[in-house]
Amino acid sequence: QAVLTQPSSLSASPGASASLTCTLRSDINVGTYRIYWYQQKPGSPPQYLLRYKSDSDNHQGSGVPSRFSGSKAASANAGILLISGLQSEDEADYYCMVWHSSTWVFGGGTKLTVL
Amino acid sequence: QVQLVQSGAEVKKPGASVKVSCKTSGYSFTGYYIHWIRQAPGQGLEWMGWINPSSGGTNFAQQFQGRFTMTIDTSISTAYMELTRLISDDTAVYYCARDPCSNNRCYEIYWGQGTLVTVSS
Repeated sequence: QAVLTQPSSLSASPGASASLTCTLRSDINVGTYRIYWYQQKPGSPPQYLLRYKSDSDNHQGSGVPSRFSGSKAASANAGILLISGLQSEDEADYYCMVWHSSTWVFGGGTKLTVL
Repeated sequence: QVQLVQSGAEVKKPGASVKVSCKTSGYSFTGYYIHWIRQAPGQGLEWMGWINPSSGGTNFAQQFQGRFTMTIDTSISTAYMELTRLISDDTAVYYCARDPCSNNRCYEIYWGQGTLVTVSS
């Protein structure tokens, strides 16, 4: 079982909110991890969005709008990237990442379509 | 401002080696690990390894053990990765990235622009 699992795709309408999930393997507790989120558009490197561990341990990337926010769903053992007020420019691939066993581990990515 | 600038695209034959550079600026080079990540065409991100510029210590993903080397030149704040015995599946964009944490404080993650390595006969 993969360390991090993301849904492969998600669609949402302009102006709506999108909740992207990053589920951790059942033997590791989301509560102990900082979860990093990236946005990647075709032909460009990943862009750091934010980091979330808790309300007191989080970081917003420089220039990243506040409509991008992080949270956790402990019952689902998952990290969440919430994008509110969706815009066409938010259409991209989104990856989560954790530092696990002295390595970086990436989720498989979610392709967000805004239509 | 923090910048990571990588060397240009490469085309290599199977069995050859490739070396990619990552020149950093705007911060203390020895204060942050440098990671290498690759992305095959149409695929996700795959972490390859990190190097600690302060000590030279490294850690690799198991699948790259034996043909992947990371080095640094602190005099010019530059990190390098070398991949040997290339196969077609090594065709990918290779990225360097600066770890966000230094001295138990964590900040932004910065990425290089990527280097396309094409392996083709």
